[in-house]
Amino acid sequence: KAGVTQTPRYLIKTRGQQVTLSCSPISGHRSVSWYQQTPGQGLQFLFEYFSETQRNKGNFPGRFSGRQFSNSRSEMNVSTLELGDSALYLCASSLGQGFPTDTQYFGPGTRLTVL
Amino acid sequence: KQEVTQIPAALSVPEGENLVLNCSFTDSAIYNLQWFRQDPGKGLTSLLLIQSSQREQTSGRLNASLDKSSGRSTLYIAASQPGDSATYLCAVQGNTPLVFGKGTRLSVIA
Repeated sequence: KAGVTQTPRYLIKTRGQQVTLSCSPISGHRSVSWYQQTPGQGLQFLFEYFSETQRNKGNFPGRFSGRQFSNSRSEMNVSTLELGDSALYLCASSLGQGFPTDTQYFGPGTRLTVL
Repeated sequence: KQEVTQIPAALSVPEGENLVLNCSFTDSAIYNLQWFRQDPGKGLTSLLLIQSSQREQTSGRLNASLDKSSGRSTLYIAASQPGDSATYLCAVQGNTPLVFGKGTRLSVIA
């Protein structure tokens, strides 16, 4: 079974631009979660989508948004990029049973650099 | 609010040594605890998952223990190898998304 895939793997943007990242979950998984990883803050939860609806949300500004499609693929969008948005963005998929029973499987991440 | 701390932040050992990585958490109301491995610039690979009702889990040279009441977990790596060099993260699962520690960066020197 194919794992979680994320595209693109690397992105370079400038301040003020917007960016869209994509995540394709493991076949049969209906939940996709997004995490941001920075050297200073570590791994932090952004949001979770299940059946095309945002089910959980972390403590990030509204510039961070996401959506999920009927095939469970998910996109994450960051508008008006800031230097501090430079990070590794990881997505994780799971069956969708909800916390705490779901086991999450992580993708390789998208490395975003904001100049 | 759950907080997860990992000590030490970095560790360098000679090949063949046995070593222990530490993880502590502030809220003992967890469902499970996972240890992950992350290679530079890469995603996370799950190593071991311990349910809250369990005391330890083993996989090959890895052994993870959990003491929920004291809010501690350890990851024991036996006979370390250069290929074990990576960052090791622990994460706790409650009725919330996973909460991660900042990791221990391990270097095993040949």
